Amino acid sequence: RKEVEQDPGPFNVPEGATVAFNCTYSNSASQSFFWYRQDCRKEPKLLMSVYSSGNEDGRFTAQLNRASQYISLLIRDSKLSDSATYLCVVNQAGTALIFGKGTTLSVSS
Amino acid sequence: EPEVTQTPSHQVTQMGQEVILRCVPISNHLYFYWYRQILGQKVEFLVSFYNNEISEKSEIFDDQFSVERPDGSNFTLKIRSTKLEDSAMYFCASRDSRAAGNTIYFGEGSWLTVV
Repeated sequence: RKEVEQDPGPFNVPEGATVAFNCTYSNSASQSFFWYRQDCRKEPKLLMSVYSSGNEDGRFTAQLNRASQYISLLIRDSKLSDSATYLCVVNQAGTALIFGKGTTLSVSS
Repeated sequence: EPEVTQTPSHQVTQMGQEVILRCVPISNHLYFYWYRQILGQKVEFLVSFYNNEISEKSEIFDDQFSVERPDGSNFTLKIRSTKLEDSAMYFCASRDSRAAGNTIYFGEGSWLTVV
């Protein structure tokens, strides 16, 4: 069973659309959760941490359901610059980050 | 903003050769990592390093690989006798605390092509 699973997409949406990405993780001992963004052939960059109560950062909203071991990312009012691969990442204290394969988003005008 | 720097950005090497990838982590960080990403695949953990020793390693990190922090600033990944399947982007990363929620910062990567 894969540790972190994501729908690979691609998601092709027009500017202004709302798009949601889902992720599931297998290790119930995971303690921290993140969404990273990765542009083509670039390093992963932290988009936002995901907290149990859910959190929002501008157009981005992240949700965590520990019981279902499920994480989501919602992007509202998509911009062309949002085109990238979005990586779901989980972590236990003191251990390495475990990455999902990523979901590719393409926003078109 | 402080950053993790990596050299070289791109290296082409012949199969069987040794390669050293270099990283300068953020100066006050204590935990260092190497990850790799084969083209089209996910980012995979290789090794973590703390207090001058390996703290965790994955199945990928076999005897072909080694890490070193020779001078208090550089953090290197050595790949002995490279194979075609070692072709990948190698990312160095660092963070200042082991706490699970603490941000990890990635370098821009070293793209290794083995021919």
